[in-house]
Order: sequence, then C-alpha cells, then structure tokens
Amino acid sequence: QVQLQESGPGLVKPSGTLSLTCAVSGGSLSSNNWWSWVRQPPGKGLEWIGEVYRTESTNYNPSLKSRVTISIDKSKNQFSLTLNSVTAADTAVYYCARVGNRGSNDYWGQGALVTVSS
Amino acid sequence: DIQMTQSPSSLSASVGDRVTITCRASQSISGYLHWYQQKPGTAPKLLIYAASSLETGVPSRFSGSGSGTDFTLTISSLQPEDFATYYCQQSSSYPQTFGQGTKVEIK
Repeated sequence: QVQLQESGPGLVKPSGTLSLTCAVSGGSLSSNNWWSWVRQPPGKGLEWIGEVYRTESTNYNPSLKSRVTISIDKSKNQFSLTLNSVTAADTAVYYCARVGNRGSNDYWGQGALVTVSS
Repeated sequence: DIQMTQSPSSLSASVGDRVTITCRASQSISGYLHWYQQKPGTAPKLLIYAASSLETGVPSRFSGSGSGTDFTLTISSLQPEDFATYYCQQSSSYPQTFGQGTKVEIK
C-alpha cells in the first residue's frame, strides 16, 4: 500500500518561500509514475500545481510556473515543492499524490496546511 | 485551460436515493476524466478513473459514464457515508483542471 506524507513549515511570511516535502513509502519514486502536488485554499476547490517524473522531468500550472519548482530525490524516496514570493492567496492545504491510470491521482497524502501571514 | 463545470453545485438527497452529478468540459477530453470524493478535513479519494473505471475497493453503487465533453457520476443508492463533496478532474491536457465541486447533503 502506497503511503504519502507531507511535511514542512505551517507558517510562511509574505514574500517568503514555501517549502514542502512528500515522503513516499510502500512505493518507489523510481517506478513508472508521475508524482504531483495539488492545493486547496480553505473552503475552496482543488488546484493542480504540477508534477515530477523519475527522470526529473516536470510539468507546471502556468498560473504558478514562474514561482514553483518541483524536485525529486530518489535516494530518499521523496519529492518536494518550492513556491517563491508567496502571498496570502497561497494559503491552502497542500497535497502530494501519485499519478496513476490515465493521469488520475490514486494515492494522496493527508495534506499540509500552509498559512501565509506575517 | 480546459474549464470543467459541474452541476449541480450542491444537492440534498435521502439515503437510498439515486444521485447523478454531471461534469462538462469546455473542449473534448476523450476519456481522461476522473471523479473524487472528499469529506471534510480529509484528502480527496479516487472513485472513478478514465470516465468509467471503478477504482479498486470503491463500492459498486458508484459508476461513471461519458466521453468527449459530457460526463456523469451516478450513486445508485445513496448511503450515509456518501455525504461528501465530489470533484471531477481532467488529465487530457495541461494544466490539469478540476470542477468546482458538488456538495451532497442530507435531506
């Protein structure tokens, strides 16, 4: 059973950098899967942020592309999200997920709430 | 970006009711359409992938249909644990996008 767990600071100052890590167990980041990040502002819907493959190839949402980096560390079996120049609009629960059949997200982390505030 | 529009945004139903939620894409997405269930404070859970394929472990009362731009999620007999918010997602083209959600409430 694949399990994912997000970790990182829960509070980030405006104009600062949001950094989260997703640790994967029960599965390998060297497998034939993409690995994604999705976020959800409080009380709102889901927004796809981007994804990374074992080759370090990435795809990003153009709305965030200038500020976001997703990286992978196969030796630690984890992947990471970095979002620069954050504002209050970036306050959200951030989920990591495995990309499965036809691009669906079949395994999800529990989510990490990140608040942007001074 | 492909816009995903769900209807209704919310609905009230009783246990045992048949419930249908629709999702319309702003352009054809073939069969790259997935359905998720989300309960408060928890991560989304994949129910249906590729429009009509039931994810392992998901009860058979959930079913999906459609292709092109119009898709449907059906719950054949609503159970107490099905009260939640449901989202559709397209993975046909980048950026992947989600519908705004449909909240299923107790009548």
